[in-house]
Amino acid sequence: GAVVSQHPSWVICKSGTSVKIECRSLDFQATTMFWYRQFPKQSLMLMATSNEGSKATYEQGVEKDKFLINHASLTLSTLTVTSAHPEDSSFYICSASKGEDEQYFGPGTRLTVT
Amino acid sequence: AQSVSQHNHHVILSEAASLELGCNYSYGGTVNLFWYVQYPGQHLQLLLKYFSGDPLVKGIKGFEAEFIKSKFSFNLRKPSVQWSDTAEYFCAVGGGNTDKLIFGTGTRLQVFP
Repeated sequence: GAVVSQHPSWVICKSGTSVKIECRSLDFQATTMFWYRQFPKQSLMLMATSNEGSKATYEQGVEKDKFLINHASLTLSTLTVTSAHPEDSSFYICSASKGEDEQYFGPGTRLTVT
Repeated sequence: AQSVSQHNHHVILSEAASLELGCNYSYGGTVNLFWYVQYPGQHLQLLLKYFSGDPLVKGIKGFEAEFIKSKFSFNLRKPSVQWSDTAEYFCAVGGGNTDKLIFGTGTRLQVFP
């Protein structure tokens, strides 16, 4: 149990466009979902924390108007990268928590902005 | 400031060698500690975790880690590595009333037959 999926796994978009990434907990209800960004050969950096039905809490330095997070249900959170630029190219990973201090990670989405 | 430090960035071992990956943290208050593994092309998986109790924690696939509070360390160990242990290993710390995790920079382990 505790499977998290992400869609798409890889997306290429043009500079200036927006792209939406979905994160789903497939076999459990997630009280909290997290969004991370991972640069090549670097660690995961937490971008934001989201709870179902409430506004996401963004980490310092993360632009909330650029990275829109919607946690519409206990099994779905979405991250929308608005007006994407090449520097937004990265690997975006979500995780979900049942509230037991353990996070279950999705497979990640590779975003390439051309 | 809260932080996690992994000193070994790239470790190369032969099969059957022993492994120890260092992890030190700086965190105020109650701490929960984790080791995650990321096999090539796969997502992060939990190897083991420490919340409280016995500071020697055993995880999956023969891994273990020891929490030494006085040294702010949570080193990962395995007595005899296998080729299939080739992966990226991340130490993470969280704690208190928050689910937030802070990750170390990761250690890339390569095991040769």
